[in-house]
Amino acid sequence: GAVVSQHPSWVICKSGTSVKIECRSLDFQATTMFWYRQFPKQSLMLMATSNEGSKATYEQGVEKDKFLINHASLTLSTLTVTSAHPEDSSFYICSARARTSGNGELFFGEGSRLTVL
Amino acid sequence: GNSVTQMEGPVTLSEEAFLTINCTYTATGYPSLFWYVQYPGEGLQLLLKATKADDKGSNKGFEATYRKETTSFHLEKGSVQVSDSAVYFCALSGGQKLVFGQGTRLTINP
Repeated sequence: GAVVSQHPSWVICKSGTSVKIECRSLDFQATTMFWYRQFPKQSLMLMATSNEGSKATYEQGVEKDKFLINHASLTLSTLTVTSAHPEDSSFYICSARARTSGNGELFFGEGSRLTVL
Repeated sequence: GNSVTQMEGPVTLSEEAFLTINCTYTATGYPSLFWYVQYPGEGLQLLLKATKADDKGSNKGFEATYRKETTSFHLEKGSVQVSDSAVYFCALSGGQKLVFGQGTRLTINP
């Protein structure tokens, strides 16, 4: 099946620094990628949708300047958490839809756990 | 708008018990329905799906039937195993986005 890989799988950083998380589709071209945030014992909250070559569409309440999303190619999207603070600590998950997907199926990365000290 | 409601957890069962996790949805049009599973410390994996009314998705002993008349997609398994312990998410796809339920944590005791 289609594989989506995230890197790093976990990261610890100091408050005020920026962290970049990569999401790659390894064996297919992803026209659309989604970024989610998951709080402990809660569901996934969609943060933004990114289409290759265009600006990301952010969900209501998500700060665009805080969470920078770049989808530079059909196999790579990045999420940068700028000036991270402890409240940004969370599990971030990306998913990707294949160019040929017709029924909405998404393929998920394994997630990246961010801890901000 | 589209929404998904799952039965609240956590759910704790003994090995070989019968499992049902309820899921109902609200949607315009004809969405596709999914169950995803998340094992501890991992991302989501697609468990099964159904793309139209009366379709039955099945995988690893789990089943769910797309019921348009009751707007439901309940997950069932006849005999659970300890390795089934995970969080299960019901989801629907309407347009570009995938909408998730709140997740149900399942623990199976030996």
